[in-house]
Amino acid sequence: TQLLEQSPQFLSIQEGENLTVYCNSSSVFSSLQWYRQEPGEGPVLLVTVVTGGEVKKLKRLTFQFGDARKDSSLHITAAQPGDTGLYLCAGAQGGSYIPTFGRGTSLIVHP
Amino acid sequence: DAGVTQSPTHLIKTRGQHVTLRCSPISGHKSVSWYQQVLGQGPQFIFQYYEKEERGRGNFPDRFSARQFPNYSSELNVNALLLGDSALYLCASSFLDSLNQPQHFGDGTRLSIL
Repeated sequence: TQLLEQSPQFLSIQEGENLTVYCNSSSVFSSLQWYRQEPGEGPVLLVTVVTGGEVKKLKRLTFQFGDARKDSSLHITAAQPGDTGLYLCAGAQGGSYIPTFGRGTSLIVHP
Repeated sequence: DAGVTQSPTHLIKTRGQHVTLRCSPISGHKSVSWYQQVLGQGPQFIFQYYEKEERGRGNFPDRFSARQFPNYSSELNVNALLLGDSALYLCASSFLDSLNQPQHFGDGTRLSIL
């Protein structure tokens, strides 16, 4: 059982469409991070959310941390082919040094 | 500025052999973490080192070990390799040891066990 469940697992859309991916857990996290990983490369940090209810925007990407700090979402507006990649959420619980990653959402944006 | 560098980029080994993977953190970063990423899954935490001391260990057998050197570079060692050890091994560095600190990943070492 994954501590962080990501959905959907796969997403294939056309350029210009909007999409939302989810990261859910039954546990409370002190913080959650979102990463994007492209084939053959390591994950690149997009954002860290810390406060329940927090919303952060990064150009066309909007990240939200749930009020109870158990879930998060990533919304992409007007997706572009350059958004293609594996989107990973990761979190740490309390004072733990052991971060947990979800399995990721694989996004393909077709031109 | 150089990012996190890992070597080698690819490696092929056979069952029972051992392997050493290397990681150089971003200059000034004192924390190094190691992850295993199996195809189709997210990275799984193996170790974290800060100021040459182990700060965290994931659920991996004792065949996995690591160390951090005075220059903050790190090695991951895996003994008695199994087929299931085939994966992308990622190294990440950060300035402090808190997981709220941004982690910067290298591009990984792709390890294949035959």
